[in-house]
Amino acid sequence: GAGVSQSPSNKVTEKGKDVELRCDPISGHTALYWYRQSLGQGLEFLIYFQGNSAPDKSGLPSDRFSAERTGGSVSTLTIQRTQQEDSAVYLCASSLRAEETQYFGPGTRLLVL
Amino acid sequence: GDSVTQMEGPVTLSEEAFLTINCTYTATGYPSLFWYVQYPGEGLQLLLKATKADDKGSNKGFEATYRKETTSFHLEKGSVQVSDSAVYFCALRHLYSGGGADGLTFGKGTHLIIQP
Repeated sequence: GAGVSQSPSNKVTEKGKDVELRCDPISGHTALYWYRQSLGQGLEFLIYFQGNSAPDKSGLPSDRFSAERTGGSVSTLTIQRTQQEDSAVYLCASSLRAEETQYFGPGTRLLVL
Repeated sequence: GDSVTQMEGPVTLSEEAFLTINCTYTATGYPSLFWYVQYPGEGLQLLLKATKADDKGSNKGFEATYRKETTSFHLEKGSVQVSDSAVYFCALRHLYSGGGADGLTFGKGTHLIIQP
C-alpha cells in the first residue's frame, strides 16, 4: 500500500509492561511524527523526526516514552512500565518534507489493564 | 504555548443545512492553519489548509478563511450531506524560515452528525 502503516492495530497489555509500536511511513517521506489521541486530552503531539537530525522530543509526556527511527524510515515508539493513563490511540504521520502535508496512519489502539 | 479552541459538539444538523464550526487559536507569530477530518472507522485526513492571513482554504465544498485579526479559522459548508458526518479537528503549526516545522497542535475535535 502507499499509505502510512502502523502495527499492531490493537494492543492490550498489563500495567508495568513495556510496549513497542511500529510505524512505516510513506516511501520517500523525510519527516515522521507521533501523536496520541485520548478521550481526556484529545490529539497531542509527541515527537518529530526530520531526516537524520536529532528528533524534537518536546511533546513526550514522561521519560517512560522514547522513540527511534532507523535508517530514516521505520520508527518505533516504546513505552516502558506502562500505566493505565497511557491507554490511547497512537497515531503516526509522515510528510515529504517537514513543511508539507502530513499523512496519518490508522493508529494503534493501546489498552493498559 | 499554542492552543486551539473549537466547539466540541456533538453538532446535529439536517441534510442540506448550513454548517459553521468555530475555531479560534492562540499562538505566537504566524502559524499555518488546518482542518482535519476523521470519518467513522477511518484515519485522520487533511480537509483544507491556509498558510497566511486572508488565505481561504477549500475542499469538498468546505471553506475556511484565515482571519488574523480575530485569530479564527471557522469551517463552513453551504449544504451538508449525511456523508459529512465525522469528527472535525482544527489545528495549527509553525513553519521555520530555514525549513522544518513543529508538530501540529489540535483542538479537541467537533463531532458532526447529519441526519437525513
